[in-house]
Amino acid sequence: GAGVSQSPSNKVTEKGKDVELRCDPISGHTALYWYRQRLGQGLEFLIYFQGNSAPDKSGLPSDRFSAERTGESVSTLTIQRTQQEDSAVYLCASSAGRGQGSRYEQYFGPGTRLTVT
Amino acid sequence: AQSVTQPDIHITVSEGASLELRCNYSYGATPYLFWYVQSPGQGLQLLLKYFSGDTLVQGIKGFEAEFKRSQSSFNLRKPSVHWSDAAEYFCAVAPSGNTGKLIFGQGTTLQVKP
Repeated sequence: GAGVSQSPSNKVTEKGKDVELRCDPISGHTALYWYRQRLGQGLEFLIYFQGNSAPDKSGLPSDRFSAERTGESVSTLTIQRTQQEDSAVYLCASSAGRGQGSRYEQYFGPGTRLTVT
Repeated sequence: AQSVTQPDIHITVSEGASLELRCNYSYGATPYLFWYVQSPGQGLQLLLKYFSGDTLVQGIKGFEAEFKRSQSSFNLRKPSVHWSDAAEYFCAVAPSGNTGKLIFGQGTTLQVKP
């Protein structure tokens, strides 16, 4: 596609429910990132996928958070047993992933706004 | 710990005035440096980046930034602000050699007065 797409754009869920957020990266981009942006805050890194390598999960805040990626395409971020503090905008980004600079030129999607009531 | 500080949470400037947004980072080596802009309802857009070389870098939309190693700073500037520049601006660093994840500052909201 022309850019990174994410769905849904908005999600309201009850505390304790599980949610799945989807990201479609730019075609041909091998690297994919998930970030979280709480209200009035900067972005927090969650997880990074690069090709077939093991993902960098160092930013996941708890074991309720997990993510998968199918090959070099779609990724889903799953939050189990959601809590109110999970309310945030979840942003996905992709990059070409190769070479010194290209992996850092990340193109962001519009985000999914998650509200846990 | 690695960190990025944007000291100004909110800045208001008049249209046509010059702009400088501050960014300081804390990291042992020189990281890669970035500025992103987030307009209401839109995703983050890369304005400019610094990897090495000339410490004054030019970006899109008339923005520039200067890397000052002695001050651990990477301030964003624009000589004449337009009303359409009103947005939130994020400074980010990527510690060189890592996986590519970015560490973001908390952002500066720019308001432009007519």
